[in-house]
Parts: sequence; C-alpha cells; structure tokens
Amino acid sequence: GAGVSQSPSNKVTEKGKDVELRCDPISGHTALYWYRQSLGQGLEFLIYFQGNSAPDKSGLPSDRFSAERTGGSVSTLTIQRTQQEDSAVYLCASSLVGLFGEQFFGPGTRLTVL
Amino acid sequence: AQSVTQLGSHVSVSEGALVLLRCNYSSSVPPYLFWYVQYPNQGLQLLLKYTSAATLVKGINGFEAEFKKSETSFHLTKPSAHMSDAAEYFCAVSEGGSQGNLIFGKGTKLSVKP
Repeated sequence: GAGVSQSPSNKVTEKGKDVELRCDPISGHTALYWYRQSLGQGLEFLIYFQGNSAPDKSGLPSDRFSAERTGGSVSTLTIQRTQQEDSAVYLCASSLVGLFGEQFFGPGTRLTVL
Repeated sequence: AQSVTQLGSHVSVSEGALVLLRCNYSSSVPPYLFWYVQYPNQGLQLLLKYTSAATLVKGINGFEAEFKKSETSFHLTKPSAHMSDAAEYFCAVSEGGSQGNLIFGKGTKLSVKP
C-alpha cells in the first residue's frame, strides 16, 4: 500500500551538470505524470506516460529535459546541462487511467542549481 | 484550452471563521475538477473532486466545494477554520480520459490566526 515515492528528496548541483530524478509510482498505476513547481511559474505539467510510452512531450521546457519509463513502473527525469532556472521542486504523480483523472502525488525532489 | 484562475494568492482568516477559497475554470468539455492541499515541505494531497455527479462535493477535513456551471466556478469552503488548515491550496482541472494531465491554478496560501 505504499504511495508514490521520489528520490532524491533534495539535490544540489552545479550549473552545467546533468541530474537524474527518480519516481516510483503506486503499483498497478499505468499513468505517470511529471510536474514542476517553481515560485514564478506555479505547477506546470511536464510529461505524461501511459505504460512505457510518452505520447505527449509538449510540456518539456527544452531539449535538455528528457524522461523515460521502464517496465511500466519506475520513471526517470533527466536534465542535461542544468541551468539556474531549472531550480524547482519536481513532482511525480500516478493514476489509474480512466479514474476521473485523480492523481496521487509523491513528496517531490527539490532541485537547486548553483 | 483549459485554464484555472484562483482569486487571491493569500487569504487570512481567524480560527473558527469561514474559509472561502475561490476557483474559476475554463474548459471546452465538461471538466473534472479537483482541490489539492500542500502542507509545508510536503507533496500534494487530494481534498476533493468533482466528476459530474453531485454538484456539492464533500472532502476530507471538513472541506466542501460546489460546482456551478453557470458561473464556471468551483469554490472551496469550510465553515470553521482550524490552525491545522494553514497550507497552500490548489484548484485543478482535467479533461480526464486517457491522458488527463492536470492544469493547476497558481495556488492560494491560507493563514489561520489564533
């Protein structure tokens, strides 16, 4: 009965470095979402997975951002050549497709780019 | 395109007073609507949801919201505020279906004075 988990909880990196953020969804949830929460932009949708496929990548802010999902479970969000404007809390959510869109959120990863 | 507007980025009430947090939405299809709460340094927790059943929706912790199609509103209320209600509240809209990513408002931070 575990909820959505994310790791690391905090990540501090230097500008220009690559980072990987991990999300473990609730078992059996086929849909997985990444959002970004920042002071200036509020909560923004980044990407959606149905199984291992990502039919909609339109929310990714630049080509430095990519994500994958393997085995219909764990997902990794990768940010290459990080910039200071990437500093934010990255939230992952999962849901059962068709369940009125109700999503269950993880605690987030706070990314700080120095 | 869907959008959500939350009036008031910060609302302050006295303990025991009525809580009213406003949310207006825009959607081209009948929407699914949600209120989430975020306590400091935590993820998002679902308070309640509207999925085209009863227009008055009751949620956790004594909160409720009423869907008013004519006003395109989904305001959140609680008759009597508790200190523990101090948090940030987000209204969100989804078209549901196979993707169903959430579009969030900017959030309203609720302060409760003793």
